[in-house]
Amino acid sequence: RKEVEQDPGPFNVPEGATVAFNCTYSNSASQSFFWYRQDCRKEPKLLMSVYSSGNEDGRFTAQLNRASQYISLLIRDSKLSDSATYLCVVNRGGGSQGNLIFGKGTKLSVKP
Amino acid sequence: EAGVVQSPRYKIIEKKQPVAFWCNPISGHNTLYWYRQNLGQGPELLIRYENEEAVDDSQLPKDRFSAERLKGVDSTLKIQPAELGDSAVYLCASSPNSNQPQHFGDGTRLSIL
Repeated sequence: RKEVEQDPGPFNVPEGATVAFNCTYSNSASQSFFWYRQDCRKEPKLLMSVYSSGNEDGRFTAQLNRASQYISLLIRDSKLSDSATYLCVVNRGGGSQGNLIFGKGTKLSVKP
Repeated sequence: EAGVVQSPRYKIIEKKQPVAFWCNPISGHNTLYWYRQNLGQGPELLIRYENEEAVDDSQLPKDRFSAERLKGVDSTLKIQPAELGDSAVYLCASSPNSNQPQHFGDGTRLSIL
């Protein structure tokens, strides 16, 4: 089993749609979880951390299920500008962010 | 605040040639990372520095890759000799410490002919 697995997509959705990305991780010792966004030919940028109780930032909601080792990202009311690759990121163990494992990413394309 | 600066942005070389990448982290960031990102993949950590000390280089192919961070600020990553499979984007990131989020540079896109 890969350390971090994501559906590569692409997800092609119309503007205004709700879209959800899923991610699973293999290391039960991982304690820090993130979603990064990467635009084409650009560097990854932190979108949001994922907390045990779930957290929301505007149109974005992240959920964590430790028992199933599963992370999700929900985007509501999709905008054209949301088109990007979304990387699921997990630390290798402990609470440090110094040893991160990146998934391959899920590509999202929002169409008019 | 200036971000992480990398140079060059692009590099094209023939196989077996040496190549070097340079990174200037955000001022005050003690932790510096080098990643390699292949097409369609997520970034993979090559080496992590805490100040001038390489604290994790377990995934650095030491037969041909080397890195240094003299004085705990700027860093260089070198490949000698380069192989066709080294074509990738090499990303540098920095953070205040290893418990803080990482900020990435634009990367160096390396093509080996």
